[in-house]
Amino acid sequence: AQSVSQHNHHVILSEAASLELGCNYSYGGTVNLFWYVQYPGQHLQLLLKYFSGDPLVKGIKGFEAEFIKSKFSFNLRKPSVQWSDTAEYFCAVNAGSSNTGKLIFGQGTTLQVKP
Amino acid sequence: DADVTQTPRNRITKTGKRIMLECSQTKGHDRMYWYRQDPGLGLRLIYYSFDVKDINKGEISDGYSVSRQAQAKFSLSLESAIPNQTALYFCATSDRGFEQYFGPGTRLTVT
Repeated sequence: AQSVSQHNHHVILSEAASLELGCNYSYGGTVNLFWYVQYPGQHLQLLLKYFSGDPLVKGIKGFEAEFIKSKFSFNLRKPSVQWSDTAEYFCAVNAGSSNTGKLIFGQGTTLQVKP
Repeated sequence: DADVTQTPRNRITKTGKRIMLECSQTKGHDRMYWYRQDPGLGLRLIYYSFDVKDINKGEISDGYSVSRQAQAKFSLSLESAIPNQTALYFCATSDRGFEQYFGPGTRLTVT
């Protein structure tokens, strides 16, 4: 079965530190990849997505992610985090050619940024 | 106005009660989804619908049912609520581009 794994469950950083959140998926075919963010008390919002083309994608609020096909990974990065980045981050994958639109989510990573 | 709305936003109910969660969208999307979110488990798909006549089970559909009353409305029912259905429930919509748009969530507590 397809699965998505986020290795870091809880990350604590100081402001201005660099961030990298890991995401790996298990599917050997074509994938569409997403990172969503959930700020405290809010609904999920799309940070960035990868469908094809340049494997380095840039999203909102200074986030970026790199798709490495050989590693089945789609890690999220940000050079310098801010206190306002405190949130839960979800990696999600839409796999296969059936065009079902179904997303499989990772377990989520809680990021706490200390001022 | 929000594109995807959910009612109620919070609900406390007793074991054995029937409860319905409602979702409406103004995005004009054909596809709608219901997820539940549990700490440490991420979001898991309960049901999804590609149009009014096309409803499909997700990975955790047991104990739940859905109704797609119109393109814009997709309701989730718990026929007989049990405590382990306590969770945060999200509705989402999408067009054929895979990106999903989420509602604000319903926090359900079953006592």
